[in-house]
This record gives sequence, C-alpha cells and structure tokens, in this order.
Amino acid sequence: AQSVSQHNHHVILSEAASLELGCNYSYGGTVNLFWYVQYPGQHLQLLLKYFSGDPLVKGIKGFEAEFIKSKFSFNLRKPSVQWSDTAEYFCAALRWSNQGGKLIFGQGTELSVKP
Amino acid sequence: NAGVTQTPKFQVLKTGQSMTLQCAQDMNHEYMSWYRQDPGMGLRLIHYSVGAGITDQGEVPNGYNVSRSTTEDFPLRLLSAAPSQTSVYFCASSFALAGEQYFGPGTRLTVT
Repeated sequence: AQSVSQHNHHVILSEAASLELGCNYSYGGTVNLFWYVQYPGQHLQLLLKYFSGDPLVKGIKGFEAEFIKSKFSFNLRKPSVQWSDTAEYFCAALRWSNQGGKLIFGQGTELSVKP
Repeated sequence: NAGVTQTPKFQVLKTGQSMTLQCAQDMNHEYMSWYRQDPGMGLRLIHYSVGAGITDQGEVPNGYNVSRSTTEDFPLRLLSAAPSQTSVYFCASSFALAGEQYFGPGTRLTVT
C-alpha cells in the first residue's frame, strides 16, 4: 500500500489563483515530511520540510504547508500562483526504522498554470 | 562542487543484458539513495545507504543490486534487464537522513 498519497494528479489553474495540493501519509509514529518540486527539465529541489514544532511551515517562493497530525495530512498551499510555478510537486515522508530510514514519495501532482 | 553526478544520461539495453548506473557525490554526504520515476507512480525508492558499507532495500529492490564501498560512490546494478525496468533513475544524497536530498540529473533507461 502506498504510504504517501497525493490526491490530485493534475491541477490546472489560472495565474493569481490560490493553490492547495493534498498529501496524506498512512503510518504513525515520528514522521518528517517534505515537499519537493521538479520544474520541467530540472532536478527535484526542496520546497519545504516539517520536523517538529510549529505545524505551519513556510518554504521558498511563497509556498507553505500545514501539518495536521490528526488527519495525517501535510497539504501544500500558495495564495497566488504564477506561470513559473508550473511543475510537478512531490510530497515525501521519512519513515524511521532500525536500519536508519526510508524517504517515501507520493505519486506527484502536475501543476499547470495558465498565463 | 559538482554535486550529484550520474552516468550515463541515456541508455538502451536489450532484455537480459546487465549494466551499472553510476552515481557519485562530492559533498561528503553519508546518506545516498536510488529512485525510479515512472508516470503516475512518483518516485519509488529502490535501495539506500546510510554510510560506506551499509545498504538496505527500499520499496522496489527486486532486479537491482547496490554496494557502497566509498562515501562518494553508490552504483546501481541491473542484473538482467527487463522491459519493466524502463524508467528514469535518480540518485540522491543528503548530509543527514532527515536532511535535504540533493538529486542527480537522472538516467533515462529503455529496455527493449
């Protein structure tokens, strides 16, 4: 079973629209959560991460995410998207184990922003 | 720093052939991992390593071997290529397990 689920496979928005991408993880215990972005033709890069403390995490380029433990969710948000935000977005969760840990990614959400 | 480098960038194999995908990093990172990226499947972890001499299986390890003899290098070996292994392969490294992953440019592999 997929440990990290992203509900939206493809999202299409107009510039200045608000964005929310869903992410749920399916296991308990200590969890570290991440959002990565892959712009067309580029490497994956880190947008933001949650380890502990304030559940509202701010990242680069105006993105933020909220960790809601009771809902096992870590949704990504941006108040006003730009054409340059067109990319694929991946949620990831670090599962700790006796051998260290595994960083598990979701299926990804492709975001297309129309100018 | 070159960061994370991967070779080759493209490769075509016939079913049953073997090959090694190379990954190297010059950031002295302890943690390295291999992922495959397939449409609609996201990135799936193949194998990972928390340091030289230590490796472990990820989500989809079958058909792949790894070793970690040095901190810098983490090659991925395909033992007998199958069409189901057609994919884009990414290597990543990080200073700490919970740290930011730095990804290589990827290897696009086609198995016919």
